[in-house]
Amino acid sequence: NAGVTQTPKFQVLKTGQSMTLQCAQDMNHEYMSWYRQDPGMGLRLIHYSVGAGITDQGEVPNGYNVSRSTTEDFPLRLLSAAPSQTSVYFCASTSGQGRLDYGYTFGSGTRLTVV
Amino acid sequence: GIQVEQSPPDLILQEGANSTLRCNFSDSVNNLQWFHQNPWGQLINLFYIPSGTKQNGRLSATTVATERYSLLYISSSQTTDSGVYFCAVALFYGGSQGNLIFGKGTKLSVKP
Repeated sequence: NAGVTQTPKFQVLKTGQSMTLQCAQDMNHEYMSWYRQDPGMGLRLIHYSVGAGITDQGEVPNGYNVSRSTTEDFPLRLLSAAPSQTSVYFCASTSGQGRLDYGYTFGSGTRLTVV
Repeated sequence: GIQVEQSPPDLILQEGANSTLRCNFSDSVNNLQWFHQNPWGQLINLFYIPSGTKQNGRLSATTVATERYSLLYISSSQTTDSGVYFCAVALFYGGSQGNLIFGKGTKLSVKP
């Protein structure tokens, strides 16, 4: 049981380049989300999905796109990277309603630097 | 939107000491979780505790939902407890779990 797998772990981009951060979970979780972590800011929600084919914006969605074609995968796309997107990105998943005691599982993070 | 405030922002302890971390939130929530981010950046889910008290080894947590706060207790601290502790709350959308809203964290340093 791998949990939540994020790739790559590290990435350096030039301003204007595009890339996709991958996130996959093998727990059949309905809910998946992307966060970014900046110094002193905690974690802020970028986009989330409550199931395949359904996505919505979080607190800081500008500059990012997502899609959810399968339950397992939730990629995050940077269309035109900017230095302000330098951050650590976390993907998380959790099961839906019905469980009495549940928690979120986080991936190990992707450290992105935009130069 | 809902606000999550954690205190203290920084805490330095000698190994073996006890500590209490606090999380205040501004509205009613259906989900509250405590996380530990270790020095390597990994986020570990410590407790799911929307109300009541739970214990796991040297760690315990109490949430008083009616008064909108939660406490995380660390007893007999060890150097491996160092890192950042986050409190996060979630609101429900459409009957399923919603989005986690994080506080800014408490940075704990345990000295040998």
